[in-house]
Amino acid sequence: DAGVTQSPTHLIKTRGQQVTLRCSPKSGHDTVSWYQQALGQGPQFIFQYYEEEERQRGNFPDRFSGHQFPNYSSELNVNALLLGDSALYLCASSFISSSGRNTQYFGPGTRLTVL
Amino acid sequence: AQSVSQHNHHVILSEAASLELGCNYSYGGTVNLFWYVQYPGQHLQLLLKYFSGDPLVKGIKGFEAEFIKSKFSFNLRKPSVQWSDTAEYFCAVMDNYGQNFVFGPGTRLSVLP
Repeated sequence: DAGVTQSPTHLIKTRGQQVTLRCSPKSGHDTVSWYQQALGQGPQFIFQYYEEEERQRGNFPDRFSGHQFPNYSSELNVNALLLGDSALYLCASSFISSSGRNTQYFGPGTRLTVL
Repeated sequence: AQSVSQHNHHVILSEAASLELGCNYSYGGTVNLFWYVQYPGQHLQLLLKYFSGDPLVKGIKGFEAEFIKSKFSFNLRKPSVQWSDTAEYFCAVMDNYGQNFVFGPGTRLSVLP
């Protein structure tokens, strides 16, 4: 049973460029959430996708956008990259249950460096 | 808005010492609580979770946590740590609707052999 997978592992971009990160959820999961983890900090919630729509969004600018596909995989896009966007980007998948008991399982992350 | 605080930024222990990592949250409603661990070079792994019922929750690798509602706390404990427990530990809170998943800033644990 494959866990959450993310690609690429590492990425180096320059300021102003655009980047796309990809995530495949754990088998049986229908929801994908994205997080930004700066060095030495806890993950910060970016947004969550369920049924191909953005279900909830954290305090991130519109430069951060996403998409969920019919097979539940997801992409995170960041436009007009800033130096401060350098971080580990984590994808988490879960299964939304009616009880709200939603356990998130994390992928290995994509390390983005903006020069 | 929910928030999570973790009392210690960095904890250093010798092997066989007992561990307690503090976690406090602020939220007015019913919450679900989690502890995750991030070993060096590895991804976040779920240690344990609390949804309801017995406030003393047992997780993997000998870890346990106690939910004290009156103190808004969910402290992580282990009676005897090992060198392999060296990692970053994150407490997280989610509301009862399965939303608003918020992490604490993390506590780095270093266990000396």
